[in-house]
Amino acid sequence: EAGVVQSPRYKIIEKKQPVAFWCNPISGHNTLYWYRQNLGQGPELLIRYENEEAVDDSQLPKDRFSAERLKGVDSTLKIQPAELGDSAVYLCASSLREALLAGANVLTFGAGSRLTVL
Amino acid sequence: AQRVTQPEKLLSVFKGAPVELKCNYSYSGSPELFWYVQYSRQRLQLLLRHISRESIKGFTADLNKGETSFHLKKPFAQEEDSAMYYCALTLGAGSYQLTFGKGTKLSVIP
Repeated sequence: EAGVVQSPRYKIIEKKQPVAFWCNPISGHNTLYWYRQNLGQGPELLIRYENEEAVDDSQLPKDRFSAERLKGVDSTLKIQPAELGDSAVYLCASSLREALLAGANVLTFGAGSRLTVL
Repeated sequence: AQRVTQPEKLLSVFKGAPVELKCNYSYSGSPELFWYVQYSRQRLQLLLRHISRESIKGFTADLNKGETSFHLKKPFAQEEDSAMYYCALTLGAGSYQLTFGKGTKLSVIP
């Protein structure tokens, strides 16, 4: 099994340019998360999906960030326009809702997409 | 709001020495606590969770509600334990909101 797949692994852009990240979760995982990890910090949740519905996007900067999970499987996170402070690693994770409800909050993370904004 | 504090950014120990990575949390309810690990060039992965009361790779962690701590311990450090360790909590069973600490880098000196 490939696990959670993310692309691109690395992206360098100039400020004010757009950028998009793609995530393919583990097959069958209905819950998908996007986290942002700044240098020297732990991951911070941006948005969580239950199937195709965004059920927690309170930490997503909606003026420039958007996300979608159209068919309840793959997801895309977009930033437009990017700012210098957006430089970070963007992590995608997935989990099985039934396992969460049973008290086993185990997230499987992807390798991350490292964004550098110049 | 809940918070996870890992007071040490870097911890260096000699191979064979005991290891204790500190984690304190603030939350008035009954959280679930986890340790995640990220080895060099690998992705973040679950190491252990307090509800399982398990020992993984020789590591254990005990939830101390009185001291609001969940320290990670191992009696004899190995070189392969060198990694970034993140303590994390959720707000209880079935909660989706996983809050991470800033992480501690463990370096085991041969």
